[in-house]
Amino acid sequence: DTEVTQTPKHLVMGMTNKKSLKCEQHMGHRAMYWYKQKAKKPPELMFVYSYEKLSINESVPSRFSPECPNSSLLNLHLHALQPEDSALYLCASSAGQGHYGYTFGSGTRLTVV
Amino acid sequence: DAKTTQPTSMDCAEGRAANLPCNHSTISGNEYVYWYRQIHSQGPQYIIHGLKNNETNEMASLIITEDRKSSTLILPHATLRDTAVYYCIVRGNYGGSQGNLIFGKGTKLSVKP
Repeated sequence: DTEVTQTPKHLVMGMTNKKSLKCEQHMGHRAMYWYKQKAKKPPELMFVYSYEKLSINESVPSRFSPECPNSSLLNLHLHALQPEDSALYLCASSAGQGHYGYTFGSGTRLTVV
Repeated sequence: DAKTTQPTSMDCAEGRAANLPCNHSTISGNEYVYWYRQIHSQGPQYIIHGLKNNETNEMASLIITEDRKSSTLILPHATLRDTAVYYCIVRGNYGGSQGNLIFGKGTKLSVKP
């Protein structure tokens, strides 16, 4: 298995809802990442997990809460989002935080209404 | 801050070589050059990376100038499926944000029949 699987592919949520995005990989990768991508913009790094521990939080608002329950899973919990948070959320993994290529999932397209 | 400069867009005829330039004049000695591409509505895809020697794999070749201030990604026989945004990324050693993939604006490559 050489893929990063993200679910759901599409999500519409209200500003008072709580939802979660899920990311899974079975490549034995020990680093996992969340990126946010607005339309016609490059991906922006949000969080980095290394060996299941949060190592980087790029000043992301607390309404986004990451979780890494085990080495294969990465979640992004969403609460009280704003319409401007609508974006494509991408998950990626790599063998470690050294010079390895990242494998990206296809993303979750989030719309906040 | 992105450390690279790329043309906003380029066209290439199908079957011809696509040569995508990237300037990274402030690159440090321990920083690598990475190339990723993103086909519409998909996650970014790793292409190739290098430090100072030229590199080749099944997808592309990476030519880095001797002073390492610029590089060129070469797709030897472009196909319509190579139409994508191509990102040139300078990445340092792990530890801190600069050790991760930070995307710039990229080059939109359009391969035309």
